[in-house]
Amino acid sequence: GAVVSQHPSRVICKSGTSVKIECRSLDFQATTMFWYRQFPKQSLMLMATSNEGSKATYEQGVEKDKFLINHASLTLSTLTVTSAHPEDSSFYICSARDRDLGDYGYTFGSGTRLTVV
Amino acid sequence: AQSVTQLDSHVSVSEGTPVLLRCNYSSSYSPSLFWYVQHPNKGLQLLLKYTSAATLVKGINGFEAEFKKSETSFHLTKPSAHMSDAAEYFCVVATVSGGSYIPTFGRGTSLIVHP
Repeated sequence: GAVVSQHPSRVICKSGTSVKIECRSLDFQATTMFWYRQFPKQSLMLMATSNEGSKATYEQGVEKDKFLINHASLTLSTLTVTSAHPEDSSFYICSARDRDLGDYGYTFGSGTRLTVV
Repeated sequence: AQSVTQLDSHVSVSEGTPVLLRCNYSSSYSPSLFWYVQHPNKGLQLLLKYTSAATLVKGINGFEAEFKKSETSFHLTKPSAHMSDAAEYFCVVATVSGGSYIPTFGRGTSLIVHP
């Protein structure tokens, strides 16, 4: 089946540095990529939606200058957390929609646990 | 607008007994519905999905869910719980929102399985 490869799975960074998270769709083309954030013992909150070749659409309250999303190709999307602070520590998950499966083809990455110290 | 409500934050069962995780949704359009499982510190795994075909959907690991439009429900069941089923379960609804198909997550139900 469809697989989304998300890297890194865990990252620890110092306050003020930037971290890039990658999601790659394997064996399918992802027209749309969703980025979620999950706080401990809570549900996934949608941060932004990106369509290949277009600017990302951010949910209310999400700082677009802090969470940079790039979706330059049909198989790769990246989320960069800029000038990270301890409150950015969280679990980040991407989800790709398969162009061929359309609305029914959502595949999630395995997640990235970010710890900012 | 769409929303999904998981009625129980925790469900506790004994191994070998049935599992019922409840999910209700609201949607302006015909929804696609999913159940995902998340084991501790892991990503999400798709259990099953409803996409306007059969209303009774069978998924992996013995789970199944029934779409009931009149009750706007999509409850997840399993006849006999296994210790390895202990995890967080998310009900997800996806419909058109602002011109895009966007999945919305329920808050999650933690399934606890006792020996």
